[in-house]
Amino acid sequence: GAVVSQHPSWVICKSGTSVKIECRSLDFQATTMFWYRQFPKQSLMLMATSNEGSKATYEQGVEKDKFLINHASLTLSTLTVTSAHPEDSSFYICSASFALSNSPLHFGNGTRLTVT
Amino acid sequence: AQSVTQLDSQVPVFEEAPVELRCNYSSSVSVYLFWYVQYPNQGLQLLLKYLSGSTLVKGINGFEAEFNKSQTSFHLRKPSVHISDTAEYFCAVSGDANAGKSTFGDGTTLTVKP
Repeated sequence: GAVVSQHPSWVICKSGTSVKIECRSLDFQATTMFWYRQFPKQSLMLMATSNEGSKATYEQGVEKDKFLINHASLTLSTLTVTSAHPEDSSFYICSASFALSNSPLHFGNGTRLTVT
Repeated sequence: AQSVTQLDSQVPVFEEAPVELRCNYSSSVSVYLFWYVQYPNQGLQLLLKYLSGSTLVKGINGFEAEFNKSQTSFHLRKPSVHISDTAEYFCAVSGDANAGKSTFGDGTTLTVKP
């Protein structure tokens, strides 16, 4: 079945540095990828929708200069957390879908980011 | 606009007992409904989905859900749970059959005790 690979699974970084998270669709072409943030014991919050070859669409309240999203190919989207701060510590999850109707959404295994 | 309410934040149950996780939704457009399971430190896995047709939907791991339009509900059920079913369960609604831009409920923690 379709698989979405997310890397790294966890990362610890110092405050002020940038961190890049990769989301790859392994056996299908993902025209659209979604990036979510999940706080402990809470639901998923959609951050942005990433379309291959175009600028990402950010949800209200999400800083696009803080969370840079690049979807350069049909199999890869990246999220870069720039100048990370401790409040950016969270679980980030990507998902990907086909362009076909009725196809399910496939999720990566998430990235646990800890900013010290 | 659409929203999802999962009525129980935690559901403890004994092994081999039946379980129901409740989900109510609201939407101003056609709805597509989903249930996902999340194990610790992992992403979400689709359990089942309702797009159209039969209101009783069967999914993986023995789960099923019933779409009730009049009550705007999509409750998840399993007749006999296992220890391995312990996880977080999310109900989601989308106006898109591809589940893109789904709105997720706050989740229900299912704890199966021996």
